[in-house]
Amino acid sequence: GAGVSQSPRYKVTKRGQDVALRCDPISGHVSLYWYRQALGQGPEFLTYFNYEAQQDKSGLPNDRFSAERPEGSISTLTIQRTEQRDSAMYRCASSMTGGPYNEQFFGPGTRLTVL
Amino acid sequence: QKEVEQNSGPLSVPEGAIASLNCTYSDRGSQSFFWYRQYSGKSPELIMFIYSNGDKEDGRFTAQLNKASQYVSLLIRDSQRSDSATYLCAVNGNTGTASKLTFGTGTRLQVTL
Repeated sequence: GAGVSQSPRYKVTKRGQDVALRCDPISGHVSLYWYRQALGQGPEFLTYFNYEAQQDKSGLPNDRFSAERPEGSISTLTIQRTEQRDSAMYRCASSMTGGPYNEQFFGPGTRLTVL
Repeated sequence: QKEVEQNSGPLSVPEGAIASLNCTYSDRGSQSFFWYRQYSGKSPELIMFIYSNGDKEDGRFTAQLNKASQYVSLLIRDSQRSDSATYLCAVNGNTGTASKLTFGTGTRLQVTL
């Protein structure tokens, strides 16, 4: 597709359930990033991939959060045993390459609400 | 000290005026700097990037970078009502974290009649 797509756009779940958020990057983009954005704040880095390799997961808050990109294209961010504090907008971005001189383009986001 | 700092605003400018948005960053090794525009309820949209000291112009937008002062700014000339949005400054890390963007909290710009 023309841009980064994410699904679902909205997810409401009960505390303790697992959720999987999907990101489909711009075609041909090597690098894929996950961010989380709270209301009134800028996006906060979670993790990123070059191709299928997870390069940096330093932003994942704890071991309930994991991400994969098995074929170097679509990525899934999984949150296990969700808690109310996990409620946020989860944003995916992609760039043509990695490194410092990369322009990251964001998808529409998934709004996660944990009840 | 926050890694990327921006005044949260709102910054109010009249239509047709120049809006000046400022950002400071703490990591001297930062190599690239980005400005994103985010309308309410929408995702961040990349509008400018700058890698070298000095000015970079693109249409009504000018990004300015001063690495010695660890300061980056965005000027919007001939401000229009459609420019009303939150502007996010993002900084790419040094070599070890080169692909990670660190964002400021954003400055809300209001362009008034």
